[in-house]
Amino acid sequence: LAKTTQPISMDSYEGQEVNITCSHNNIATNDYITWYQQFPSQGPRFIIQGYKTKVTNEVASLFIPADRKSSTLSLPRVSLSDTAVYYCLVGVNNDMRFGAGTRLTVKP
Amino acid sequence: SAVISQKPSRDICQRGTSLTIQCQVDSQVTMMFWYRQQPGQSLTLIATANQGSEATYESGFVIDKFPISRPNLTFSTLTVSNMSPEDSSIYLCSVDETGNTEAFFGQGTRLTVV
Repeated sequence: LAKTTQPISMDSYEGQEVNITCSHNNIATNDYITWYQQFPSQGPRFIIQGYKTKVTNEVASLFIPADRKSSTLSLPRVSLSDTAVYYCLVGVNNDMRFGAGTRLTVKP
Repeated sequence: SAVISQKPSRDICQRGTSLTIQCQVDSQVTMMFWYRQQPGQSLTLIATANQGSEATYESGFVIDKFPISRPNLTFSTLTVSNMSPEDSSIYLCSVDETGNTEAFFGQGTRLTVV
């Protein structure tokens, strides 16, 4: 199981780009990197997943360097509604153990 | 994406009693997961439940305390047995359709034990 390390919290302002980095030094060859977003009183919501290089969807981008020992979730032009906890998950198949997550607060 | 319904959404229970939480999925899925989340904390995986086999429990969780049923590919239950105030938490179920940690979650069951 590849453990993950993320910053506990981050602050940003509306309209800024936010980058949250996750370290996973022990990532295995078959592991995927998946990011989730969780709002208060809700279950986590899948944001994006990648294996290597860069992945982009309508919500975020995920940057993964060649050694895959870290990954960066990039949220473009955040708004107040992006205030949430963001979790980085590394694994495959039934490897669904969450780390501590990063609490992002977007200020006006 | 799978749609997951959890029941009940919340409950207040007396210590010593048991509560069964239901998780219904709108599609057939192989892997289902049960979590516990304390206020302000991350999710802690309780067990993985695959249809047709015994649930696999994480360290610190035992079947006698958290029995799980998985009778088919769309349904599972988690029972919290002989409850104490320490069991007060949010319990969530999730499913992984692809097997690649791309999971979908229910809204959770907020349990308070008094």
